Amino acid sequence: AQSVTQLDSQVPVFEEAPVELRCNYSSSVSVYLFWYVQYPNQGLQLLLKYLSGSTLVKGINGFEAEFNKSQTSFHLRKPSVHISDTAEYFCAVSARLLADRGSTLGRLYFGRGTQLTVWP
Amino acid sequence: DTEVTQTPKHLVMGMTNKKSLKCEQHMGHRAMYWYKQKAKKPPELMFVYSYEKLSINESVPSRFSPECPNSSLLNLHLHALQPEDSALYLCASSQVPRQDYNSPLHFGNGTRLTVT
Repeated sequence: AQSVTQLDSQVPVFEEAPVELRCNYSSSVSVYLFWYVQYPNQGLQLLLKYLSGSTLVKGINGFEAEFNKSQTSFHLRKPSVHISDTAEYFCAVSARLLADRGSTLGRLYFGRGTQLTVWP
Repeated sequence: DTEVTQTPKHLVMGMTNKKSLKCEQHMGHRAMYWYKQKAKKPPELMFVYSYEKLSINESVPSRFSPECPNSSLLNLHLHALQPEDSALYLCASSQVPRQDYNSPLHFGNGTRLTVT
């Protein structure tokens, strides 16, 4: 079974400070991990993804995440945040949903979300 | 700008009304999804269409009726909803890879539904 735990529901931080949003997962099979961001009154936007290869993944808006298999973690980091980074951040793991016509679809299991608030 | 377009952005409906939510994408994706998101919660999967056929229904009440007229369009027909159905309804699409379930989802901005 797959599950995702986001340890912090809210993370307040001052502008230009570094930030880390924590995510731990459990999965019995191959792992594909994602971070999505949701700005107020909008849908979810893909920040970055880990599929395979290098464990350090760089995404949009200066964010990066590191896949750590031994600790089953995929923490999101940014060295210097801006007020515009204020949003809800969701970590997600993909699991096989179905196989049809020789192809596969994945189902996303989301964490509960972390509200990042950046103060001036 | 999102590549998945949802209309309307906001919808208020009574419990006896019939309304429809619409979703459109032109990325050539052959999988489309409906999610429901309550405030301060992650999205919950409702339906999945693969190659215009309903593949997954996550035990959604029959007052929600999805439809996929073609590979670019996805509708959600609403009838006799309850106030607790008020939520943000998100449409998403993805590629259907041959080998692995790692294709990211592309989300629309959602329809904010209020049932009175």
